[in-house]
Amino acid sequence: DAGVTQSPTHLIKTRGQQVTLRCSPKSGHDTVSWYQQALGQGPQFIFQYYEEEERQRGNFPDRFSGHQFPNYSSELNVNALLLGDSALYLCASSLGTSGGPLNEQYFGPGTRLTVT
Amino acid sequence: RKEVEQDPGPFNVPEGATVAFNCTYSNSASQSFFWYRQDCRKEPKLLMSVYSSGNEDGRFTAQLNRASQYISLLIRDSKLSDSATYLCVAVPNFGNEKLTFGTGTRLTIIP
Repeated sequence: DAGVTQSPTHLIKTRGQQVTLRCSPKSGHDTVSWYQQALGQGPQFIFQYYEEEERQRGNFPDRFSGHQFPNYSSELNVNALLLGDSALYLCASSLGTSGGPLNEQYFGPGTRLTVT
Repeated sequence: RKEVEQDPGPFNVPEGATVAFNCTYSNSASQSFFWYRQDCRKEPKLLMSVYSSGNEDGRFTAQLNRASQYISLLIRDSKLSDSATYLCVAVPNFGNEKLTFGTGTRLTIIP
C-alpha cells in the first residue's frame, strides 16, 4: 500500500522564479492538504483540495495556488518566490467526509525548497 | 497570540524518566486535538488523539482540559527512541480538517 509521495525531494530556486510541487495521496484517499513548515516552526496550513476544488485556505497570499487532478493527485504552485518561501512543504492526504469526526491525515516526506 | 502554543524546549531528559508537555489553544470552538511526533528532517506522524476523558496508549497518556483550554502529553519510562519533536494540534470543528499546529517541543532522551 503506497503511502503519500511527493516530488521533488529537494529544490533550489532563485528569488522571483516559479515552482511546482507534486503530491500523490495514499491509496483510497481523496483529499489533499498542503502545509508549509519553516525551520523551527510547526506546519502552517496552506489549503486543502477535495473533488478537484479548493475547499479551505489558510493565510497565504495568492502567489500560492494549487490544483487537484481527477486521480486525486495535487500540485502546489508558488509564483514570484521570496526568500521567506524557503521551507519544507508537506502534503497530507485523508478520506474526505462531510461532517463527522476528523479522519487522520497522513503526511508525505515533504519537498524542501530553498530560495536564494 | 498564536492559536496553539507550546513550550519549544528543548527538554533533555534521562532515559527512564517521566516527561510532560503542555499545550494551550485559543479557539474555544476547537473540537478535535492530537499529538504528532516529528523526527528530524522527517514528516509528522500521528502519535495519538486526545479525548475529553483522557486516553492512554502504552507509555503515553494524553489529557484535555476544555475549561482551561490546554492539552497535555505524558511519557512514562522514556526511551532513547522517544527523542523527537512533539507537535500539539487543534482542529476547529467537525468537518473542518485544517490542522493547526503548535511550534513543537523538542525532546532529547539522554542515555
